[in-house]
Amino acid sequence: LAKTTQPISMDSYEGQEVNITCSHNNIATNDYITWYQQFPSQGPRFIIQGYKTKVTNEVASLFIPADRKSSTLSLPRVSLSDTAVYYCLVGLQGAQKLVFGQGTRLTINP
Amino acid sequence: DTEVTQTPKHLVMGMTNKKSLKCEQHMGHRAMYWYKQKAKKPPELMFVYSYEKLSINESVPSRFSPECPNSSLLNLHLHALQPEDSALYLCASSQEVRVTEAFFGQGTRLTVV
Repeated sequence: LAKTTQPISMDSYEGQEVNITCSHNNIATNDYITWYQQFPSQGPRFIIQGYKTKVTNEVASLFIPADRKSSTLSLPRVSLSDTAVYYCLVGLQGAQKLVFGQGTRLTINP
Repeated sequence: DTEVTQTPKHLVMGMTNKKSLKCEQHMGHRAMYWYKQKAKKPPELMFVYSYEKLSINESVPSRFSPECPNSSLLNLHLHALQPEDSALYLCASSQEVRVTEAFFGQGTRLTVV
């Protein structure tokens, strides 16, 4: 499983766009990149997944450069309710394991 | 129904007690997982079940005993736990083990006294 590195914490303000970058230098050819969000005392929630270029859904966008050694989760116009821990996971679709790294603690201020 | 339901939400148990955590999903998922999460740490994988068979045990101590009675239900039996086992225990499910979109329950907050 590829190791991931994310900033431990980030701060932003309501209405801003927030970009969280994850580094995964050892990503394998068949690995996918998946992001989860976790609020205090709740289970993680799947946000978005991608393999290359750009993926967008109603919650976020995921940007993956051509070399796939990093990825950026973009949250448009954040609100206070986006305060949470965001985890980047990298692994083979058939790996049977979801292994969480340390995550990024995002705090949104008024 | 995209829910994974865990009961109880909170549990306090003594070190000599036997208790069980329960997890239920009705999404037709064939993979189910137990995770343990300590405060301000990421979830740590404990067990993976695939088609009701245990496929991964992450070297978890035998005082934790998983059981999958059917495709919708996952139990975690607890016996002779230690105070350091106090944590949030999370259950998750996915369509199969080969997908990375998993649905998590709210967790059971376990305190061992």
